[in-house]
Amino acid sequence: AQSVAQPEDQVNVAEGNPLTVKCTYSVSGNPYLFWYVQYPNRGLQFLLKYITGDNLVKGSYGFEAEFNKSQTSFHLKKPSALVSDSALYFCAVRDDYSGAGSYQLTFGKGTKLSVIP
Amino acid sequence: DTGVSQNPRHKITKRGQNVTFRCDPISEHNRLYWYRQTLGQGPEFLTYFQNEAQLEKSRLLSDRFSAERPKGSFSTLEIQRTEQGDSAMYLCASSSHGQSTDTQYFGPGTRLTVL
Repeated sequence: AQSVAQPEDQVNVAEGNPLTVKCTYSVSGNPYLFWYVQYPNRGLQFLLKYITGDNLVKGSYGFEAEFNKSQTSFHLKKPSALVSDSALYFCAVRDDYSGAGSYQLTFGKGTKLSVIP
Repeated sequence: DTGVSQNPRHKITKRGQNVTFRCDPISEHNRLYWYRQTLGQGPEFLTYFQNEAQLEKSRLLSDRFSAERPKGSFSTLEIQRTEQGDSAMYLCASSSHGQSTDTQYFGPGTRLTVL
């Protein structure tokens, strides 16, 4: 079974400061990890993914995420937050096992990011 | 716009009625997924198709729910005898079968309200 935990329901950060949104995961095999962002009444927008290779993944809009296998974490980061980054952020995982059901994503509950001007 | 599209965007229905939603994936994508998202939660997987074949169904997909993708292009999700607990955002996603690491791209969702 695969699972994701986002321990913070809400993160507040001042504009211009660095931001971190936390995510930990559990899978049987190797993880494929994703971050999505959701604006009010909208679908999910893909930000970045980790499959293999470099532990630091760069994505859209200046976001990056660091994969840490020993801590089973995949935290989302940005060096300087913008007010427009305020949204709901979801971490998702998929197991690399290629059997039935292996293509479904399991999502965390989401973290609401508020960037304060 | 070449993204995933969903119709309708909003649906209000009375308990006991049937509803049908449509999803048009990105044109070259052969995998299509349905998820359900309730308030304060992340999306939960319902089912997915590779071309016209429905390859996986979640236990969340009760027998009142049925999904089709008849020609391997658009898909429909039907809910029969709707219940208030069916009120949620229904999200569709698509991906391209190139590698097992394909990325799922989501549509804007259909918000269902059951009165």
